[in-house]
Amino acid sequence: DAGITQSPRYKITETGRQVTLMCHQTWSHSYMFWYRQDLGHGLRLIYYSAAADITDKGEVPDGYVVSRSKTENFPLTLESATRSQTSVYFCASRGGDTQYFGPGTRLTVL
Amino acid sequence: AQSVSQHNHHVILSEAASLELGCNYSYGGTVNLFWYVQYPGQHLQLLLKYFSGDPLVKGIKGFEAEFIKSKFSFNLRKPSVQWSDTAEYFCAVALAGYSSASKIIFGSGTRLSIRP
Repeated sequence: DAGITQSPRYKITETGRQVTLMCHQTWSHSYMFWYRQDLGHGLRLIYYSAAADITDKGEVPDGYVVSRSKTENFPLTLESATRSQTSVYFCASRGGDTQYFGPGTRLTVL
Repeated sequence: AQSVSQHNHHVILSEAASLELGCNYSYGGTVNLFWYVQYPGQHLQLLLKYFSGDPLVKGIKGFEAEFIKSKFSFNLRKPSVQWSDTAEYFCAVALAGYSSASKIIFGSGTRLSIRP
């Protein structure tokens, strides 16, 4: 079973460009999350969604936009990328009391 | 504010050595506790979790963790590590009965390197 997938796995972009990271899960989990992983900071929550059309900010939402028109998809958009957004981004969904993570997207902003 | 501390940033051990990774959290209420593992180039996977009951919990691959409420700690242990345990380990804490996802907090991670 595919579980949770992310695309692209690697992305290089330039400052000021818009970038969208995709996340897809096949379990029909209600909750989905976006985290960024940076050295020394662990995982920090960017946005989360409790269901389709319900989203809320996490710890570090500035510069990011999310949408959830379908339960299985939860795209993350960087409206105008900055170098500080260079990071590894993980999508996750929650089944019961456990979170399941996608493989991650390594984003570099030049 | 709640926080999770993993004081060991990088641990280097030889095969067959015993392992203990520290995790401390700051929150006075009831918590759910997790350890996740991230193997090189892979996503995070759940290693074990504690919600209630026996404070010594066993996870996959021979790992276990002990919840000591008085010390606000949830240390991860393994009696004999293998080279394949080389990974990054994350402790995470969620408020018990959490419905808002923003209440799950991850530590900064501990990188474990095993010498063959």
